[in-house]
Amino acid sequence: GAVVSQHPSRVICKSGTSVKIECRSLDFQATTMFWYRQFPKQSLMLMATSNEGSKATYEQGVEKDKFLINHASLTLSTLTVTSAHPEDSSFYICSARDPGQGAGDTQYFGPGTRLTVL
Amino acid sequence: SQQGEEDPQALSIQEGENATMNCSYKTSINNLQWYRQNSGRGLVHLILIRSNEREKHSGRLRVTLDTSKKSSSLLITASRAADTASYFCATDEGSGNTPLVFGKGTRLSVIA
Repeated sequence: GAVVSQHPSRVICKSGTSVKIECRSLDFQATTMFWYRQFPKQSLMLMATSNEGSKATYEQGVEKDKFLINHASLTLSTLTVTSAHPEDSSFYICSARDPGQGAGDTQYFGPGTRLTVL
Repeated sequence: SQQGEEDPQALSIQEGENATMNCSYKTSINNLQWYRQNSGRGLVHLILIRSNEREKHSGRLRVTLDTSKKSSSLLITASRAADTASYFCATDEGSGNTPLVFGKGTRLSVIA
């Protein structure tokens, strides 16, 4: 079945640094990928929709200048957390649909990236 | 935005008992999906039920969908300690490239 990978799986950084998280669709092309954030003991909240070849669409309350999204190819979207602060510590998960699967009902989720900002 | 509400928020049962979790949503949907998440791990897709379906089974899982009430339930029968996890419903408006919208989740603890 379709697989989505994320890298790194875990990252610890100092406050003020930037962190890049990669999301790859391994055996299908995804024109659209989604980025979610999950704080401890909470649900997944959509941050942004990443569109290949165009600007990402951000959800209300998500700073686009802080969370930079680049969807440079049909198999790769990157999320860069700029000038990270401890409150950005969270579990970041990406997902994508496989358009080759008919109506593409199923979304495939990456395994997530746990970011800890010291 | 978060549209689903799930209840209960936390559920603790004995091994062998059945666990029922409920999910309500607000908008029209194409399908509703249930996911499982072990602590600190990624999501595992459990089951998808389309808006024209009322009930679906998969192993020990039974999902119902009532579109008139905008609600769904997940029943896990004969629970096991290994079922301990958080369970989320997620709705899909299904217009092609729309994201899933997740409920707040139910934390299930199955005590051996």
